[in-house]
Amino acid sequence: KAGVTQTPRYLIKTRGQQVTLSCSPISGHRSVSWYQQTPGQGLQFLFEYFSETQRNKGNFPGRFSGRQFSNSRSEMNVSTLELGDSALYLCASSEEGAGTEAFFGQGTRLTVV
Amino acid sequence: DAKTTQPNSMESNEEEPVHLPCNHSTISGTDYIHWYRQLPSQGPEYVIHGLTSNVNNRMASLAIAEDRKSSTLILHRATLRDAAVYYCILRALRNTDKLIFGTGTRLQVFP
Repeated sequence: KAGVTQTPRYLIKTRGQQVTLSCSPISGHRSVSWYQQTPGQGLQFLFEYFSETQRNKGNFPGRFSGRQFSNSRSEMNVSTLELGDSALYLCASSEEGAGTEAFFGQGTRLTVV
Repeated sequence: DAKTTQPNSMESNEEEPVHLPCNHSTISGTDYIHWYRQLPSQGPEYVIHGLTSNVNNRMASLAIAEDRKSSTLILHRATLRDAAVYYCILRALRNTDKLIFGTGTRLQVFP
C-alpha cells in the first residue's frame, strides 16, 4: 500500500497570499487529520475529517480551512498568510477508531516571507 | 481532552533498555493510550497503543498501570535510530481520531 502523500513538499509564499495543501490518505482510510508543527508551539491539531465531514477543529483562526472529497483526499487552505503561519503542515490518515494507528505523511514545509 | 505528562528528555546508551514514563491521571475509561515518535525531519511514526493490558510489538512494549493513570513505553535495546521525540497521547474512543500532542520526551542514545 502507498503511504500518505502530501503535496507539495516545500512552498514559499508571500504575506497576504493564500495557499492550498493536499493530502492523499492511504487507500481505504476515511479519516484524515491535519496538524501544524512549529518550533515554538510544537505539534498542534488543526482539524479532522471523516467521510467528507469536519468532525473536530482545533483552536486556529478562520483563515485556516479544509475539506475532504468523496475519495477521502483532503485539502487545507490558509488565506491571508501571515509570517507566523510558517510551519510544517502534517496530514495523518487512519481507519476510524481509537484502537487504530494513524499514518503520517512527510509534511509540507510552508515558508511565508 | 485528557492531558499527559512526560519528562522533557532522557538519555540512554546503545543496546540498553529504555523506559519512557507517561502520566495521565485524568484518563477516562474508554481512552486508548497511544505512543508515537518523531525522528528528525520526518513526520510522526506510530509505535504502539493499548487500552488496559500490556502490549508488545516488534518495536516496543507498553506497560499500563492497573489504575491506568500512568504507562511506560519500553524499548528493549536502544539503537541510535531510536533517538527521537516520543509522544504519549490519549485517544478518545468515539467520534474523533484526532491526536493531541504534548511536548513529548526527547530521547538521546549514545554509542
